Amino acid sequence: RKEVEQDPGPFNVPEGATVAFNCTYSNSASQSFFWYRQDCRKEPKLLMSVYSSGNEDGRFTAQLNRASQYISLLIRDSKLSDSATYLCVVNRGSTLGRLYFGRGTQLTVWP
Amino acid sequence: GAGVSQSPRYKVAKRGQDVALRCDPISGHVSLFWYQQALGQGPEFLTYFQNEAQLDKSGLPSDRFFAERPEGSVSTLKIQRTQQEDSAVYLCASSLGLVVTIGETQYFGPGTRLLVL
Repeated sequence: RKEVEQDPGPFNVPEGATVAFNCTYSNSASQSFFWYRQDCRKEPKLLMSVYSSGNEDGRFTAQLNRASQYISLLIRDSKLSDSATYLCVVNRGSTLGRLYFGRGTQLTVWP
Repeated sequence: GAGVSQSPRYKVAKRGQDVALRCDPISGHVSLFWYQQALGQGPEFLTYFQNEAQLDKSGLPSDRFFAERPEGSVSTLKIQRTQQEDSAVYLCASSLGLVVTIGETQYFGPGTRLLVL
């Protein structure tokens, strides 16, 4: 079983829509959680960290449920520029910063 | 300021050829990682350096893969006797401090796309 599981999509939504991505992680020792964004043929870039209390950054809201080992990302009022692959990422404190990535969820926002 | 840079950006190799991929991390960054990203997959960890010390190489898929960072800055990932399954994007990432600091941000380079024919 992979460390991080994500629905690969693709998700195709119109501009202005709300879209939610979910992922699960298998190792209960995981300590840090992130969403990265990866544009086509580009490198991953940190979108936001995910905290137990939930956190928001503009149109983006991330939630963490440690009991269920579940992470979510909500994008409100989708923009064309949100089209990308969203990678769910975890870090186990015991593994010197090694990041474990999901396979990514592809989002296309259409006009 | 300059981000993480990698060279070459693209590499085509014949099966059996040796290749060397270079990573220039952000100046002053202590930690350096290599990841391999196959088509349609997320990046997979290969190895980690703290300054010049290779502290984790558990992700290297075989003894054909070798990485070094002799002066604690530039790193090279070498693949000997390349095979078709080595075709992937090789990503380098660096972070400022010791990554025992939980949640330290890793900054990725643009990657080297390796195609083995």
